[in-house]
Amino acid sequence: KAGVTQTPRYLIKTRGQQVTLSCSPISGHRSVSWYQQTPGQGLQFLFEYFSETQRNKGNFPGRFSGRQFSNSRSEMNVSTLELGDSALYLCASSLGPGTATYEQYFGPGTRLTVT
Amino acid sequence: QQQVKQSPQSLIVQKGGISIINCAYENTAFDYFPWYQQFPGKGPALLIAIRPDVSEKKEGRFTISFNKSAKQFSLHIMDSQPGDSATYFCAASLSGSARQLTFGSGTQLTVLP
Repeated sequence: KAGVTQTPRYLIKTRGQQVTLSCSPISGHRSVSWYQQTPGQGLQFLFEYFSETQRNKGNFPGRFSGRQFSNSRSEMNVSTLELGDSALYLCASSLGPGTATYEQYFGPGTRLTVT
Repeated sequence: QQQVKQSPQSLIVQKGGISIINCAYENTAFDYFPWYQQFPGKGPALLIAIRPDVSEKKEGRFTISFNKSAKQFSLHIMDSQPGDSATYFCAASLSGSARQLTFGSGTQLTVLP
């Protein structure tokens, strides 16, 4: 079974631009969560989607948004990029609510560099 | 209230030794505690996880010990190998928000050959 895939793997953007990152969960998984990883703040939860609905949201500004499609694939968008948005963005998939399993499986991440 | 504190920040162990990483949490409503292993350039990989109804869980060379009263849990890596050299993260989540993980700050483990 294929793992979580994220595209693109690397991205360089300029301050003020916007960016869209994509995540395809493991087949059969319906929940997708996004995390930001930086050396200073570590791994921080951004948001979670299930059945095309945002279930939880972390403490990030409104410039960070996401969505989920009917096939469970998810995208996250960051508008008006700032230097501090440079990070590894990780997507994790899980079966979702109503299941007995809590395991989340991470993709390789998208390395975003803002210049 | 949502913090998970992890120690040590870095750890150096000889091959064959035992690596021990500790985490402490504040929110008593946390009820799922996974450990992740991350190699450079890769995403975190789920190693082992525990629920608070058990005090210990073992999978191969990896063991989680859980102390509910002390609000602490730890990862023990037996017979540590150079291939175990990676960054390890503990995490915790609330029931009902199981997909929202709160992570510790990470431990960089180096196993010397």
